[in-house]
Amino acid sequence: DAGVTQSPTHLIKTRGQQVTLRCSPKSGHDTVSWYQQALGQGPQFIFQYYEEEERQRGNFPDRFSGHQFPNYSSELNVNALLLGDSALYLCASSFQGPSGANVLTFGAGSRLTVL
Amino acid sequence: RKEVEQDPGPFNVPEGATVAFNCTYSNSASQSFFWYRQDCRKEPKLLMSVYSSGNEDGRFTAQLNRASQYISLLIRDSKLSDSATYLCVVYEYNTDKLIFGTGTRLQVFP
Repeated sequence: DAGVTQSPTHLIKTRGQQVTLRCSPKSGHDTVSWYQQALGQGPQFIFQYYEEEERQRGNFPDRFSGHQFPNYSSELNVNALLLGDSALYLCASSFQGPSGANVLTFGAGSRLTVL
Repeated sequence: RKEVEQDPGPFNVPEGATVAFNCTYSNSASQSFFWYRQDCRKEPKLLMSVYSSGNEDGRFTAQLNRASQYISLLIRDSKLSDSATYLCVVYEYNTDKLIFGTGTRLQVFP
């Protein structure tokens, strides 16, 4: 049973570029959440996708956008990269059951470095 | 004030010690509470949920005080393998979001 898979695992970009990160949720999960974790900080909620729509959004600018596909996989896009966008980007999946949405399974993350 | 606050540590303790981590949250509408563990350069993994009556899982005991908006994690008989960052996580019912604290780093030494 595959867990949450993310790609790429590491990438380096320069300021102003755009990046797309990908996530496949755990089998049986239908909800995908994205988090940004800067060094020494806890994960910060970016947004959550369910039924191919953005359900919730954290305090992130519009440069951060996403998408969920019919197979529940998801993408995170960041435009006009800034140095401060350097972080570990974590995808977490869950099942939108009565209480299941509270328990997340995380992927190993995509570590983005912006130069 | 941060939504979820933790002492960042690090807590350096010898093997066999008992160590306690505290966490406070600001949103009284918070409904569910968790402790996650994150190893260095790895993803967070659920350690345990925190129930109102308190709960125990082996050497780990979690407690919740809703009146004080306070959560704790107690680790008894610390092992070297317990070295990690422990993240306090709160589910806010009114915003339907999981909010993470910054984490408390634990280092257990021989």
